[in-house]
Amino acid sequence: AQSVSQHNHHVILSEAASLELGCNYSYGGTVNLFWYVQYPGQHLQLLLKYFSGDPLVKGIKGFEAEFIKSKFSFNLRKPSVQWSDTAEYFCAVTSRGNEKLTFGTGTRLTIIP
Amino acid sequence: DTEVTQTPKHLVMGMTNKKSLKCEQHMGHRAMYWYKQKAKKPPELMFVYSYEKLSINESVPSRFSPECPNSSLLNLHLHALQPEDSALYLCASSQDLQGAPGSPLHFGNGTRLTVT
Repeated sequence: AQSVSQHNHHVILSEAASLELGCNYSYGGTVNLFWYVQYPGQHLQLLLKYFSGDPLVKGIKGFEAEFIKSKFSFNLRKPSVQWSDTAEYFCAVTSRGNEKLTFGTGTRLTIIP
Repeated sequence: DTEVTQTPKHLVMGMTNKKSLKCEQHMGHRAMYWYKQKAKKPPELMFVYSYEKLSINESVPSRFSPECPNSSLLNLHLHALQPEDSALYLCASSQDLQGAPGSPLHFGNGTRLTVT
């Protein structure tokens, strides 16, 4: 069975700091990987996704993530965060042919102006 | 703004009530989902519909009854709920089932349900 771990439960950064949120998954086969963001009071939105090809994927709002197969990781990065990035971030995985999307426990990001 | 519309936004119901949550999408997506999200927790899958047929039921109690009248609509009928069922109920859709590449989920804003 597939699973996702997000070890950072709550991250607090100042504006303009660099961000890296960890995501590790456990599944030996081909995976599809996602990062979703949930701003306060809003719906879950897709930040970026990886299906195949270039392991460095770029998403909306300046976010990017790198798929490292040997480490089973898909960490989210942003070089300079803004106050508006304050939100809950969820990593998620599904495997080819598996209808179920598995979410990590989420990381709450607080940006201090 | 999201292209998946959920109504109502808020719902308060007693344990003996019968109510329904509604979800609508017009993106031509063939898969639709119900998720339950408790505060500060990730969404938990409840049901998956594919081509208007129930594909997955994640052992959800029978007091929750899904219905997919057509490819654009998804309902969740509620009856005899318990206070612990209070949560944010999210509807989502995708072009194809999650196992297919290129099919991320599109979420609605959710219905915040309180059971008294």
